[in-house]
Formats: sequence, C-alpha cells, structure tokens
Amino acid sequence: AQSVTQPDIHITVSEGASLELRCNYSYGATPYLFWYVQSPGQGLQLLLKYFSGDTLVQGIKGFEAEFKRSQSSFNLRKPSVHWSDAAEYFCAVVKSNFGNEKLTFGTGTRLTIIP
Amino acid sequence: SAVISQKPSRDICQRGTSLTIQCQVDSQVTMMFWYRQQPGQSLTLIATANQGSEATYESGFVIDKFPISRPNLTFSTLTVSNMSPEDSSIYLCSVAGVFGTEAFFGQGTRLTVV
Repeated sequence: AQSVTQPDIHITVSEGASLELRCNYSYGATPYLFWYVQSPGQGLQLLLKYFSGDTLVQGIKGFEAEFKRSQSSFNLRKPSVHWSDAAEYFCAVVKSNFGNEKLTFGTGTRLTIIP
Repeated sequence: SAVISQKPSRDICQRGTSLTIQCQVDSQVTMMFWYRQQPGQSLTLIATANQGSEATYESGFVIDKFPISRPNLTFSTLTVSNMSPEDSSIYLCSVAGVFGTEAFFGQGTRLTVV
C-alpha cells in the first residue's frame, strides 16, 4: 500500500528565510504527488502537483517542489517565506486511476513564521 | 477547477444526535470523496461515493455510522449518526479533477459534539 511520511511535525522559520518541507513516499511505481496547504479554519488548497516530466515543479504562492525518484522524495521549497505562509502543509500521493482520485495524505507539517 | 460548497461550515451537536453534511459541486463529477480530519491529525478517507451505487467505505468506517447519499452527479451528503465526542472533527468533501489529475476540496464542516 502507498504511504506518505512527513518527518517534521512542526517547523518555525523567520519571515524572509528560506523553507524546505520534507516528504517521502512509499510506492512501487511513480505515483502522482501533491502538496496541499490548509490555513487555519480553511479547507485544503492545492499548491502544486507532479505527474511526469520535469522533476522541478512550480506552484502557486512562490512554492516549488522537486521530485527525486532515487530518494522517493518530493520536498517543498520556498526561497523567502511570508507571514501569510503560516499554515499546515500536507503532502499527498495517489495511485492514479482515471476519475478515482483516492489520496493518501501525510501527517502534515505545521509551519510557524516569526517576525 | 471545481468549486465545492459544503454546508454547514460548522456545528455544535449533542451526543446521540445525527448531522447531515451537504456537498454541492459546480460541475458533474464521477466520484466524490468524504474525508475526516480529527483534531491535530491528517486526513483520513471515509468513503468514496459513486452516483447510482452504494458508497465504498474504507476500513474502520461503516455505513450505519456514516451513511452517504449520491443522488446525482453534482451532489452528495454524509450523515454522522449517533454522535459521540470522538466524532468531533473536520469533515471534507472532495472531487477529482478532469482526467483524475488532482483533487479539489470543500471548505470543510467543523463538527463539535458535546
């Protein structure tokens, strides 16, 4: 069965600093990979996704993620964080099947931004 | 992208009662998904709802506790039955994008059982 690991439960960074959130997956083939963000009291918003092709994908809000097959990783990065980036971030994986988007989520990483 | 509306956005309910959560999508979709997010936890899939057939439940979830309806291609409901404080969670509705390329989520229903 597929699984997703986010080893960092909580990360604190200063505003303007760079950010990297880790995500490792376990799956026999290359799955579809996603990063979602959940702001306090909000639903989930898709930041970016990887299906195939270029292993460095760009998302919204200045985020990017790099797929590394050899490490089974899909880490999320941002060069300079803003206070509004404080939120919960979830990595997710799916064994893609047309119209059957059954996602497996990681446990999430809570991001705190300090002035 | 799909726009998903969930109602209610939040509710406080007495134990032993039931709550029905509605999910409306602005386009026709094949499958709809219901997730639960317990306090401080990640999302767990409850069931997959396909129009015109019985929902498929994940391990640990049963139809008697979480009955689901899917009367058409744009609407679904999830009922949380005979509630206890352990059911206090955020419940989220989700649909797959075109060609199953991504998932979209509603804003969620924050349920507190007292």
